[in-house]
Amino acid sequence: AQRVTQPEKLLSVFKGAPVELKCNYSYSGSPELFWYVQYSRQRLQLLLRHISRESIKGFTADLNKGETSFHLKKPFAQEEDSAMYYCALTRHGSSNTGKLIFGQGTTLQVKP
Amino acid sequence: GAGVSQSPRYKVAKRGQDVALRCDPISGHVSLFWYQQALGQGPEFLTYFQNEAQLDKSGLPSDRFFAERPEGSVSTLKIQRTQQEDSAVYLCASSFSGRQETQYFGPGTRLLVL
Repeated sequence: AQRVTQPEKLLSVFKGAPVELKCNYSYSGSPELFWYVQYSRQRLQLLLRHISRESIKGFTADLNKGETSFHLKKPFAQEEDSAMYYCALTRHGSSNTGKLIFGQGTTLQVKP
Repeated sequence: GAGVSQSPRYKVAKRGQDVALRCDPISGHVSLFWYQQALGQGPEFLTYFQNEAQLDKSGLPSDRFFAERPEGSVSTLKIQRTQQEDSAVYLCASSFSGRQETQYFGPGTRLLVL
């Protein structure tokens, strides 16, 4: 079964501390992994995707196929990073429709 | 340009009532997705359109749920004989072509069934 697991519902850190939001997945084929973010009173938006291997707002995520993980990391958290973060996957390949399978989400709270 | 828009933003329905939720995707986007997000959960896929063709409806929870996109732009998600368990936020997303393209989400419609 295809599944995305985010084990922490809430992660609370102080400003300037490192952040790691955990994401594990279960998928039989070749997945593409994403992190989506929802800031307060805003709509869900893409933060980053593993295939582009870029850093957005200081966040990075590395796909570890051996551990089936795609953890989101940032070395120094900022208050404006406070938001709900969702890990998601879709099937990679030409037959993929693009439908996303989401985890339950982790609320990141960055305290001053 | 304008992003994905959804209406109404909030809907309160009595159990057994039919509701219709509208999604206006970004102009020119071929692919359109509907997701259901229950309280405290991540979004769950409902159905997918490529232009006017509904290519995947595997996520629709029952035959009370019906979606259409007759002209390949605006889409409507209809729920017949609403039940309390249908209470959720319904999200619409569009992308240029589907596959690995970025999905742009609307603000959602929050449905409460009493």
